[in-house]
Amino acid sequence: EVQLVESGGGLVQPGGSLRLSCAASGFTFSNYWMTWVRQAPGKGLEWVANIKQDGSEKYYVDSVKGRFTISRDNAKNSLYLQMNSLRAEDTAVYYCARVECSTSCYLDYWGQGTLVTVSS
Amino acid sequence: DIQMTQSPSSLSASVGDRVTITCRASQGINNYLAWYQQKPGKVPKVLIYDASTLQSGVPSRFSGSGSGTDFTLTISGLQPEDVATYYCQKYNSVPWTFGQGTKVEIK
Repeated sequence: EVQLVESGGGLVQPGGSLRLSCAASGFTFSNYWMTWVRQAPGKGLEWVANIKQDGSEKYYVDSVKGRFTISRDNAKNSLYLQMNSLRAEDTAVYYCARVECSTSCYLDYWGQGTLVTVSS
Repeated sequence: DIQMTQSPSSLSASVGDRVTITCRASQGINNYLAWYQQKPGKVPKVLIYDASTLQSGVPSRFSGSGSGTDFTLTISGLQPEDVATYYCQKYNSVPWTFGQGTKVEIK
């Protein structure tokens, strides 16, 4: 059974940093693109970042470029999101998701999410 | 960047009704579009990818169509368990933008 479990969320002051983790199991992690998607309270979904299977390609939404870094450790079946210079508008539930990218690309499994609150 | 615009933002329909949600891309995205369902308090779930391919296990009352810039998600016979917010997402190129969502309620 595919499982994605996020951790690392919490309350942080503006300008602070946080590192999110996503532990994957039930599939060959190194075979898949992975992604982070966030959802501000009461708002819609926002794609944040993607990372290729071997970590050689990474893509970000403009609003987090230069502040967030997506990474992975295939030996540990883990995905990460390092978030620096956090702003109030980064407050959201952060989901990691597996990207099924055979003939097309879509997010077929999602974690339960971890809440990040940026506030003083 | 390509913008994704859904309409309506919300709708209320009766059980058994046919419901149609539209997603429009500001530029052509071929058929690189997925639809997700997010029930209240739950994690999003993919319903359709490649604009019209039904994900395994998704009820056949859900269908998708379109290509280029205009896409639709249709629920043929709305059920109480379909109460949710529905999102389209493009994946032809980054950023993988979502639409703003359509909230579906039962009348």
